[in-house]
Amino acid sequence: GENVEQHPSTLSVQEGDSAVIKCTYSDSASNYFPWYKQELGKRPQLIIDIRSNVGEKKDQRIAVTLNKTAKHFSLHITETQPEDSAVYFCAASYSGGYQKVTFGTGTKLQVIP
Amino acid sequence: DTEVTQTPKHLVMGMTNKKSLKCEQHMGHRAMYWYKQKAKKPPELMFVYSYEKLSINESVPSRFSPECPNSSLLNLHLHALQPEDSALYLCASSQGQGKNTEAFFGQGTRLTVV
Repeated sequence: GENVEQHPSTLSVQEGDSAVIKCTYSDSASNYFPWYKQELGKRPQLIIDIRSNVGEKKDQRIAVTLNKTAKHFSLHITETQPEDSAVYFCAASYSGGYQKVTFGTGTKLQVIP
Repeated sequence: DTEVTQTPKHLVMGMTNKKSLKCEQHMGHRAMYWYKQKAKKPPELMFVYSYEKLSINESVPSRFSPECPNSSLLNLHLHALQPEDSALYLCASSQGQGKNTEAFFGQGTRLTVV
């Protein structure tokens, strides 16, 4: 089955700096890669996703890059703000009638004001 | 309506109790999921229903019994649970029509087994 590794497990940045979280996956059949943000005690919420036919996607301060050959993808947050503090999970899944999503281990991001 | 609604939000149950968790969505999604999340860990897939049929059971103990009465509802019946089953139980849904689309999560039920 799919195995997703995520680094780092914790990340502290100063407000306004950039944050980068990296993930690798094992199953070359995976073709959908969502990123979720989970605040303490709340549900995971999708912040950005990328499909295997795209190398990069950007949404305001958030961007994701995908290298299919190397089987890794990364989340980039620029101009970080205190409200970006949360746990971020990368995930990988394979298309079909439903998604069997495998999550990474999570990165706890702390943005220091 | 892009909400997945779970009830109850919190549940405390004894090891001999029988209880049920409920999940509802009205987005027309045909795939629904149960996940279990322990503190500081990622969500772990338990069950997947596709078009109201159980498609995946990730070797979940039989004390957890899922049910999908219709395309909008998903239940998780609990019986004879153990304290280690205490966790946040998340329901999710997605379009489930041959495309990879966003999975929407409910707020979860925080379960404590005493």
